[in-house]
Amino acid sequence: DVKVTQSSRYLVKRTGEKVFLECVQDMDHENMFWYRQDPGLGLRLIYFSYDVKMKEKGDIPEGYSVSREKKERFSLILESASTNQTSMYLCASSSPTGVRSEQYFGPGTRLTVT
Amino acid sequence: AQSVAQPEDQVNVAEGNPLTVKCTYSVSGNPYLFWYVQYPNRGLQFLLKYITGDNLVKGSYGFEAEFNKSQTSFHLKKPSALVSDSALYFCAVSVFSGGYNKLIFGAGTRLAVHP
Repeated sequence: DVKVTQSSRYLVKRTGEKVFLECVQDMDHENMFWYRQDPGLGLRLIYFSYDVKMKEKGDIPEGYSVSREKKERFSLILESASTNQTSMYLCASSSPTGVRSEQYFGPGTRLTVT
Repeated sequence: AQSVAQPEDQVNVAEGNPLTVKCTYSVSGNPYLFWYVQYPNRGLQFLLKYITGDNLVKGSYGFEAEFNKSQTSFHLKKPSALVSDSALYFCAVSVFSGGYNKLIFGAGTRLAVHP
């Protein structure tokens, strides 16, 4: 079974802090994704990566950056956390079979910025 | 614009009764459709997908979904609901946009199954 792990289940940070969210997958998947989940809005794509050192902006990239130095690891960075970034963050991975691939999700990190 | 709609925020069902969670989509070209479930404080789990072929797709935990091209719908169904089915359900469509494949999610429907 695919396993996607995220470094923290719950995180509380102060406004202005730099925040790192880490994601690791163990199935040698090329594709990795970061979403944020907010009530009534579903999941919105922040950034994704189709290969090591490659990154592409999703639908809501403002205020975020990412890093993918190794195939199995995809990090989301909040350079200066703000209260409107309080949310559930979900990481996902998938194999490179195009539009037919399902994504496998980690358990999520609930981030609170105070 | 390509999108997915889940018209019900919440669906309430008595245990043992059939359930339906609705989803409609708007995409150009062939739709590739997915259902995911999220249990409390957990990530999303893949339930089933429609790519091509038979309009009735069977998935995990006894769920199935019916693809209807003329109504642009992909409703999730189960013949007999369990209390343990109570969760948040997301419909999604896979699209090729900006040179890449990505999933577009609906807002989610909370299913509450009462004993």
